[in-house]
Amino acid sequence: KNEVEQSPQNLTAQEGEFITINCSYSVGISALHWLQQHPGGGIVSLFMLSSGKKKHGRLIATINIQEKHSSLHITASHPRDSAVYICAVLGISNFGNEKLTFGTGTRLTIIP
Amino acid sequence: DAGVIQSPRHEVTEMGQEVTLRCKPISGHDYLFWYRQTMMRGLELLIYFNNNVPIDDSGMPEDRFSAKMPNASFSTLKIQPSEPRDSAVYFCASSPAWGGHRYEQYFGPGTRLTVT
Repeated sequence: KNEVEQSPQNLTAQEGEFITINCSYSVGISALHWLQQHPGGGIVSLFMLSSGKKKHGRLIATINIQEKHSSLHITASHPRDSAVYICAVLGISNFGNEKLTFGTGTRLTIIP
Repeated sequence: DAGVIQSPRHEVTEMGQEVTLRCKPISGHDYLFWYRQTMMRGLELLIYFNNNVPIDDSGMPEDRFSAKMPNASFSTLKIQPSEPRDSAVYFCASSPAWGGHRYEQYFGPGTRLTVT
């Protein structure tokens, strides 16, 4: 079982719909990152959070540390939101240093 | 700032050849990370450096892979000899600091490697 599980793997929705992408993890973490990978391959960091909720424009990220779960929401989705969204957890490696472990991503397609 | 720079953007080579991937981090960033992305396994950390010193290389698949950071503005990832299963996109990322949740990583555009 992977340490970081994302669902769904693929999501297709109509423009304007409310989108939810989920991330569950099985290890202790100090923080969780959400990343966006554009169709061209570039990766950008969207959020870093360790508790509660963060909001940037139409994007909202929440985390529940007790339940080991995070969600990424997109309100009023737009075709330009089409991308792969990757969840990554910051934990402690076997060497005692912090490292990111990534989920396999959720491919989001927004249809006009 | 130009961001993290990687070269080449695409590399096609034959099995057994040596491959060298290059990365220039953002100026002033003390941490540099090398990642590999495949369809099957997603993004995986290979190695990372702090102030040019390797900190964690536990993700390096085997002895065929090596990474160096001779100075603060340049790093290489070398595969010798290359094999078809090394085909992937290799990303370099840098960060001004690391630890806790305070710092994000800035990713380069990636190098798509194909080994035939």
